[in-house]
Amino acid sequence: NAGVMQNPRHLVRRRGQEARLRCSPMKGHSHVYWYRQLPEEGLKFMVYLQKENIIDESGMPKERFSAEFPKEGPSILRIQQVVRGDSAAYFCASSPLTGANYGYTFGSGTRLTVV
Amino acid sequence: GQQLNQSPQSMFIQEGEDVSMNCTSSSIFNTWLWYKQDPGEGPVLLIALYKAGELTSNGRLTAQFGITRKDSFLNISASIPSDVGIYFCAGQTSGSRLTFGEGTQLTVNP
Repeated sequence: NAGVMQNPRHLVRRRGQEARLRCSPMKGHSHVYWYRQLPEEGLKFMVYLQKENIIDESGMPKERFSAEFPKEGPSILRIQQVVRGDSAAYFCASSPLTGANYGYTFGSGTRLTVV
Repeated sequence: GQQLNQSPQSMFIQEGEDVSMNCTSSSIFNTWLWYKQDPGEGPVLLIALYKAGELTSNGRLTAQFGITRKDSFLNISASIPSDVGIYFCAGQTSGSRLTFGEGTQLTVNP
């Protein structure tokens, strides 16, 4: 019974390149959340998606960042034209229904380094 | 936006000692959660609290949801070396987003 799977675990990009982070939710979970963690800080909410729908993207920068959760396949967080300040750990979480009451399971994260 | 103030930032204790950490907020939360994060891993849920005044235990861990709904504490009794890690509180109002504290780094000396 696999947990939330994120890949890659580590990603190095040069400034200006694109970064694509993937998240496969737990089996039976249709809600996905993305959070960003800067070094020595707590996690900050970015976006909440259900299948084919963005429910809340209020935590996501307006430019260069986008997220999707297609009908088939993993959720993707895309960062275009990366800058050094994008270096962080990006965590995905999933739940079977809306809200933390139903269990919010985090993946192991993707550590993005922009050089 | 909402902010959680978590303290202390770090703690250095001897094995066997008890530990207490807390979170406060200027806003009301409907749910309080406590997570532990090991290096290189994602947060793992320790305890979830859903009602003001609720006191919940999970093994050596005890957490309480403050009556005002603006604070919560986590206690760890008889600490052991594997308790080392970063502990985060998180609050939820409505919807699904969580607001996290800045974390408490716990070091346990054997």
